[in-house]
Amino acid sequence: DIQMTQSPSSVSASVGDRVTITCRASQGVSSWLAWYQQKPGKAPKLLIYDASSLQTGVPSRFSGSGSGTDFTLTISSLQPEDFATYYCQQANSFPRTFGQGTKVEIK
Amino acid sequence: QVQLVESGGGVVQPGTSLKVSCAASGFTFNSYGIHWVRQAPGKGLEWVAIVWHDGSNQYYADSVRGRFTISRDSSRNTVSLQMNSLRAEDTAVYYCARDCTGGSCLDYWGQGTLVTVSS
Repeated sequence: DIQMTQSPSSVSASVGDRVTITCRASQGVSSWLAWYQQKPGKAPKLLIYDASSLQTGVPSRFSGSGSGTDFTLTISSLQPEDFATYYCQQANSFPRTFGQGTKVEIK
Repeated sequence: QVQLVESGGGVVQPGTSLKVSCAASGFTFNSYGIHWVRQAPGKGLEWVAIVWHDGSNQYYADSVRGRFTISRDSSRNTVSLQMNSLRAEDTAVYYCARDCTGGSCLDYWGQGTLVTVSS
């Protein structure tokens, strides 16, 4: 199985900050990588697919990059509604696997 | 609009069975695979299983293979997860989610149903 490792596990940031979350796969997943946002008590929401494609309706301050084993989710200017937990997920092979999550907290 | 609605969660004893269901609407059901993803209390997301758009294939996480069975009923636009030999570690919110076109993500999610395995 492919293991997905996110860093950091949590980050404290202020409104307007640039935030970067990384995700590393234990083996290459090409560009088959998605990012999700989850708020407490809610279902996850798709943000980015195919490593860098923005899901319809997602603000352009979110962006994704990378291929192979190393990926990045960037929030260019953090907004109050962005405080949440973010997960990466590989779609290269079964079983699908998620990273452990990165919690973005208010500084 | 795309909707996925889970049902069937509850409290069950270890070693017993439970079936959870996902009712789909707002899209062409037979064109999309459907996943189950679970989240234990206070923990991260764990992928559980997928059934192909036409029901021809299923894949499972190692942790549930041999105990859980995913199936779909195109006449009722529903996907089910039959869970047998339940363990305390199966306690979680179970979400169903639609496979993206091309299979590279999960684009729509239900609100989840809570399964608690406890004596």
